[in-house]
Amino acid sequence: QSVLTLPPSVSAAPGQKVTISCSGSSSNIGNNYVSWYQQLPGTSPKLLIYEDNKRPPGIPDRFSGSRSGTSATLGITGLQTGDEADFYCGTWDSSLSTWVFGGGTRLTVL
Amino acid sequence: QITLKESGPTLVKPTQTLTLTCAFSGFSLSTPRVGVGWIRQPPGKALEWLALISWNDDKRYSPSLNNRLTITKDTSKNQVILTMTNMDPVDTATYYCARTIALGSTTRELDYWGQGTLVTVSS
Repeated sequence: QSVLTLPPSVSAAPGQKVTISCSGSSSNIGNNYVSWYQQLPGTSPKLLIYEDNKRPPGIPDRFSGSRSGTSATLGITGLQTGDEADFYCGTWDSSLSTWVFGGGTRLTVL
Repeated sequence: QITLKESGPTLVKPTQTLTLTCAFSGFSLSTPRVGVGWIRQPPGKALEWLALISWNDDKRYSPSLNNRLTITKDTSKNQVILTMTNMDPVDTATYYCARTIALGSTTRELDYWGQGTLVTVSS
């Protein structure tokens, strides 16, 4: 069982918006930056969001992130079929002194 | 351009020791705040954090696998090596290495990932 909790799946129609919430605790999300990773089918994960809400170069502004309390949220607007992927949240856990991931959310664009 | 590439055996027998190498370019492990981590992903399952080594040789391990893992670095060769002892079929997974960026004593993000290498554990 993962330290961070993600919904197993989310879905929405092309052009719509979706949000994915990552729930943790005070030892991880509550006190450390959250990053998000996108894993397209058959590929390695890619950094999507870092420091809660920053996008690396090349990541479109359709992707956004936020953190409040012990939860973080990834938002994706203007959904495209090419966005179908598994998404993971990650952060440092100060109690475990290790990195932790959420269990992954599969996005389906209907 | 930053790249990382994992290498090692594709098949290991139960009870054997796995040794994986992460060869990287485009950055140095002597640069402050930079590290390399290992992550694995069983087929069809989620990512699992394994270990991290930082620029200052600080090492962190997954609590659940701590007694089986050893991570080392060769800064001159731009390589990080992970060994995992007593391999079991449940350890079958794709193993990734990734560059990490630190913030104080914590890791802030994993910004570049390798392509991964599939390791199967079977007799």
